[in-house]
Amino acid sequence: EPEVTQTPSHQVTQMGQEVILRCVPISNHLYFYWYRQILGQKVEFLVSFYNNEISEKSEIFDDQFSVERPDGSNFTLKIRSTKLEDSAMYFCASRQRGGTDTQYFGPGTRLTVL
Amino acid sequence: GNSVTQMEGPVTLSEEAFLTINCTYTATGYPSLFWYVQYPGEGLQLLLKATKADDKGSNKGFEATYRKETTSFHLEKGSVQVSDSAVYFCAPRHSGAGSYQLTFGKGTKLSVIP
Repeated sequence: EPEVTQTPSHQVTQMGQEVILRCVPISNHLYFYWYRQILGQKVEFLVSFYNNEISEKSEIFDDQFSVERPDGSNFTLKIRSTKLEDSAMYFCASRQRGGTDTQYFGPGTRLTVL
Repeated sequence: GNSVTQMEGPVTLSEEAFLTINCTYTATGYPSLFWYVQYPGEGLQLLLKATKADDKGSNKGFEATYRKETTSFHLEKGSVQVSDSAVYFCAPRHSGAGSYQLTFGKGTKLSVIP
């Protein structure tokens, strides 16, 4: 069964450094999402992406964040200058097409900012 | 936007006990409703969904019925197993037109003991 994959599974970085989290969505899916879950808290929406553009973003997704689909398979989340409070589990999700509203999630990348 | 209220956990049950995890939401209109499950050390997996009033979603013995009168989507299982130990998230789809982002509840941790 097709699944969303994410790399790395765990990323440790120093405050102020840039990180790129990578996702490979399910191959025939067209809509892509990032969510995050700070330890012990609820899962929060960050951004949605379709047709090489951001469709929606939350207040969390400020200028420090960016997303990109650099090729036909990868979908990345970049944090330019990480802060301690960026430490969280980051989940990528994908959805097949308009009118189908089920999102399929990857296993997550745990980001630890020291 | 949407908001979700889930039953506070943790919930501890003996094997074969009946499970109910309450979920109520506020939303504009009638959004699709989802339950996701997060097993220890893993990502979010879709458990079940319902897309319109009175629909019943079901999977792996779990059920939830879309109740528009009470804006609820309670999760039930008649006989839980140790392998059901996980965190369960109720998640309505966002109400905005064309928006597919999910709003997650805080999650309910279930522990099933033999």
